[in-house]
Amino acid sequence: GESVGLHLPTLSVQEGDNSIINCAYSNSASDYFIWYKQESGKGPQFIIDIRSNMDKRQGQRVTVLLNKTVKHLSLQIAATQPGDSAVYFCAEKLPGNDMRFGAGTRLTVKP
Amino acid sequence: NAGVMQNPRHLVRRRGQEARLRCSPMKGHSHVYWYRQLPEEGLKFMVYLQKENIIDESGMPKERFSAEFPKEGPSILRIQQVVRGDSAAYFCASSPDPGYEQYFGPGTRLTVT
Repeated sequence: GESVGLHLPTLSVQEGDNSIINCAYSNSASDYFIWYKQESGKGPQFIIDIRSNMDKRQGQRVTVLLNKTVKHLSLQIAATQPGDSAVYFCAEKLPGNDMRFGAGTRLTVKP
Repeated sequence: NAGVMQNPRHLVRRRGQEARLRCSPMKGHSHVYWYRQLPEEGLKFMVYLQKENIIDESGMPKERFSAEFPKEGPSILRIQQVVRGDSAAYFCASSPDPGYEQYFGPGTRLTVT
């Protein structure tokens, strides 16, 4: 079946650096995308979303970029902090409202 | 406004027993989704329900698994005759509309011994 994939399963960055987490999605008809953060032992937490009629959206310290041409999604975290250490999932909403999640990228922030 | 509630948080069952997982969506949300997560893996969609209706159960095994979201009360994910392979974290999410973000509960960690 169709699935969302991630380029990097793990990412380690120094505190204060910027982080970029990438995601490739497979369905060109997907029209809504979400990034979630999941800390150990907890449920996924919404970070930021973007609809397919946009190519960039900014939040507090986070930016999501959408490139529909190559079906690529990225999450940029500015000035990464230890509290950002978690697994990050991208998700795409397929036609028919089915949401598909990627395998996740584990972000580790070194002090 | 309370978030999505799931109970129990941890559930231990012996092989062959039944597991019942409950999910109370956020107030005002009538769309509920169930996901399963194995350690170090992503979320796998199981079923999407609206009040009293199953909208999409394409991710749910045909046997032993069932889900409901009655008019009153929480959504229930039921696993009959559990096997060791059912051990996982089961997350419930709710949304006010299928086109909007899903809010996740803390999950139920099922262990089958």
